[in-house]
Amino acid sequence: QSALTQPPSASGSPGQSVTISCTGTSGDVGAYNYVSWYQQYPGKAPKLMIYEVSQRPSGVPDRFSGSKSGSTASLTVSGLQAEDEADYYCSSCGGSNNLMFGGGTKLTVL
Amino acid sequence: QVQLVESGGGVVQPGGSLRLSCAASGITFSRLGVHWVRQAPGKGLEWVAFIRYDGNKKYYADSVKGRLTISRDNSKNTVFLQMNSLRGEDTAVYYCAKDHDRWDMDVWGKGTTVTVSS
Repeated sequence: QSALTQPPSASGSPGQSVTISCTGTSGDVGAYNYVSWYQQYPGKAPKLMIYEVSQRPSGVPDRFSGSKSGSTASLTVSGLQAEDEADYYCSSCGGSNNLMFGGGTKLTVL
Repeated sequence: QVQLVESGGGVVQPGGSLRLSCAASGITFSRLGVHWVRQAPGKGLEWVAFIRYDGNKKYYADSVKGRLTISRDNSKNTVFLQMNSLRGEDTAVYYCAKDHDRWDMDVWGKGTTVTVSS
């Protein structure tokens, strides 16, 4: 059960768009449409932002969007706001009834 | 409003045991699948285990198989994580989270801290 690969950091200025990648394998991200994204502020519990690759739970701004191509999933945050500065984690189910997370990406709003 | 509250964390010596609890309110608990996810200090999230709504399916991360056991008591609206043979690398904040649809989690508790140290 290897972790999914995310860039450790990403940044953008207010109003800009930023995309965070999440790379897995043909056995996890590439095989299933069960990729999720979580936002986490320091000292707080994670919050579900995207599920099933591109679905947004109610209450999540439409500035957040998800996609997938092959074994790489992506989270795009459009119209960056100061409140978007947080850690972001992707997750995907694997082929053996398990779940794996990415290492996390720290998003900085410049 | 759905709420999950973890308890049972603390300091334990290597090789020791601990039982965590996750109490749910505001929802029909017997229909919930529940995950445990942990986060070591300064590190990322790590999925630990999942239990289906009826308790008949349980899945574990390889790193905890044979040492950690997930269970539930639907009459008490509670999920448990029995932790045995604890190691330093088990030191983490442990979150329980409600399964949303398929392998995603839409409601999280605030976490309980487990420290394994002599």
